[in-house]
Amino acid sequence: DTGVSQDPRHKITKRGQNVTFRCDPISEHNRLYWYRQTLGQGPEFLTYFQNEAQLEKSRLLSDRFSAERPKGSFSTLEIQRTEQGDSAMYLCASSSDRGLESNQPQHFGDGTRLSIL
Amino acid sequence: SQKIEQNSEALNIQEGKTATLTCNYTNYSPAYLQWYRQDPGRGPVFLLLIRENEKEKRKERLKVTFDTTLKQSLFHITASQPADSATYLCALPPSGSARQLTFGSGTQLTVLP
Repeated sequence: DTGVSQDPRHKITKRGQNVTFRCDPISEHNRLYWYRQTLGQGPEFLTYFQNEAQLEKSRLLSDRFSAERPKGSFSTLEIQRTEQGDSAMYLCASSSDRGLESNQPQHFGDGTRLSIL
Repeated sequence: SQKIEQNSEALNIQEGKTATLTCNYTNYSPAYLQWYRQDPGRGPVFLLLIRENEKEKRKERLKVTFDTTLKQSLFHITASQPADSATYLCALPPSGSARQLTFGSGTQLTVLP
């Protein structure tokens, strides 16, 4: 399977703990996105990478959230000092970069479901 | 502010009928619009993209229209099957961004056998 993979699929932690999620995009894709989705809502954009550069960040991304893509391949999303409101599905997506086209479809992983106790 | 609205209630239809889902947007002038399908516990799966200069796009039993005057897209599934039951999401690039997508809240479609 050469789709987007995310790890872990589920994470349960106590409030105040730090958590880190990993995303492995489709290998030939150099664009990578993180979204957050809560029940009954569509995904909300968090951040975007072009290769290793983090080019866009949502105002939703508080200073407790940090994302990296050190070598332009896999990415990690860390949440520090988790709060109950952080409970959600965290989705990663990737897309190809064909020249200057920006409207390429995004390929999503199946997400990491975070539950804060 | 920019807003995307999809059918607010779940949609139930009989197998074999055509399902029509609506996506309305305000305060946008998107260059394109995308539709995704999402099954429970899974990530969204891309279905179709339609550009602002295209009125209609088809793929097998799927048809999407894009009316930039009405600021509306319609998504049709013809000859619907129970396997089409899922949540369907429309997504557009927000103003000022060429990369990220803003998603509607989705319409939950159930096709009854």
